[in-house]
Amino acid sequence: GNSVTQMEGPVTLSEEAFLTINCTYTATGYPSLFWYVQYPGEGLQLLLKATKADDKGSNKGFEATYRKETTSFHLEKGSVQVSDSAVYFCALRSFWGTGNQFYFGTGTSLTVIP
Amino acid sequence: DTGVSQDPRHKITKRGQNVTFRCDPISEHNRLYWYRQTLGQGPEFLTYFQNEAQLEKSRLLSDRFSAERPKGSFSTLEIQRTEQGDSAMYLCASSLAASADEQYFGPGTRLTVT
Repeated sequence: GNSVTQMEGPVTLSEEAFLTINCTYTATGYPSLFWYVQYPGEGLQLLLKATKADDKGSNKGFEATYRKETTSFHLEKGSVQVSDSAVYFCALRSFWGTGNQFYFGTGTSLTVIP
Repeated sequence: DTGVSQDPRHKITKRGQNVTFRCDPISEHNRLYWYRQTLGQGPEFLTYFQNEAQLEKSRLLSDRFSAERPKGSFSTLEIQRTEQGDSAMYLCASSLAASADEQYFGPGTRLTVT
């Protein structure tokens, strides 16, 4: 089956600290992988994606590399800001069947303090 | 760009009552998705439409749930004979078929069944 497991939170970091949020997956076939972010009071937004093994997705200083050998897609940022405080969701899109089901992890809450 | 909108934002109902939610996608988007999100969990896929056709339904979608998208624009999700276990956030997302990886989420409808 398809599933996503991500690091439990909450995570609290000081401004300019290094961020890693771990995400591993199981999937039938070769999925696309995503990180979505939900800022307080807003809907989920796509942060970055990778569609095949060894691809690196990046956006707003965040990066994640699609690692097929470890079935992982860890999110990293070198220097977090207070404005990065949000809930982060790892997700996959399965191409099994009609290829339109998305599977989300449970979310990791990040708080960045000044 | 008005984004994806959902109505109502909050709904409180008594067990056994029927409820209906509406989603208005981004106007040029031909795909529309419904998800359910419970506290501390990520969104769970319920169903999706391409234009007016409902192409995929999750096993989570019991026969008390029905979704429609009659003219390929807005969609409704109806829950009949609500149960306390239906209490959740119901999320709608839309995308273009050509770029189905990039879903745009609405703010959600929070349902509380008492």
